[in-house]
Amino acid sequence: GENVEQHPSTLSVQEGDSAVIKCTYSDSASNYFPWYKQELGKRPQLIIDIRSNVGEKKDQRIAVTLNKTAKHFSLHITETQPEDSAVYFCAATFGFKTIFGAGTRLFVKA
Amino acid sequence: NAGVTQTPKFQVLKTGQSMTLQCAQDMNHEYMSWYRQDPGMGLRLIHYSVGAGITDQGEVPNGYNVSRSTTEDFPLRLLSAAPSQTSVYFCASSPTGGGIQPQHFGDGTRLSIL
Repeated sequence: GENVEQHPSTLSVQEGDSAVIKCTYSDSASNYFPWYKQELGKRPQLIIDIRSNVGEKKDQRIAVTLNKTAKHFSLHITETQPEDSAVYFCAATFGFKTIFGAGTRLFVKA
Repeated sequence: NAGVTQTPKFQVLKTGQSMTLQCAQDMNHEYMSWYRQDPGMGLRLIHYSVGAGITDQGEVPNGYNVSRSTTEDFPLRLLSAAPSQTSVYFCASSPTGGGIQPQHFGDGTRLSIL
């Protein structure tokens, strides 16, 4: 069935270090992979996305890579800051459905 | 431009009661969806709609009904509330379906079933 797995569930880094979150998806036909950030008590908000015809995309300190053959994609945050502390969700589309991973709680220690 | 508006923000129900969660968007988006968010389980798709008059089931549709009579509105109905439906509910929209555009989320409705 349609499934997105996300690891790790919790990630703690020192300010200035890099953070990497990894996701795998089940359907090779998936063609869109967004990442959302959710702060405590707030709505999920898109931070970056990638389409299946692109292998990598970067926006300032964040980047996403996609390996279609292996069906996995990753979020990279460099030079982490305390305000990066939040829950991050990966997602993948399956036809008209967008299925989310279970989330990664990122703690950035000052 | 208010984006996606959900009402109410908080609600407490008793087991067996019915309720409608409201969702409206003013961006003329064709695609709308409902998710529930439970601790440790991410966002799970309940129902979605690719346009007025068209709805379909997501991952966890049991116990919920939806309709889409207008482009703007996509209400979610709980027919007979159960404690297992205690959750935070998010409505989202995107310009079109087909899963290649980001979704815009509302602020959520926190629902408790006693």
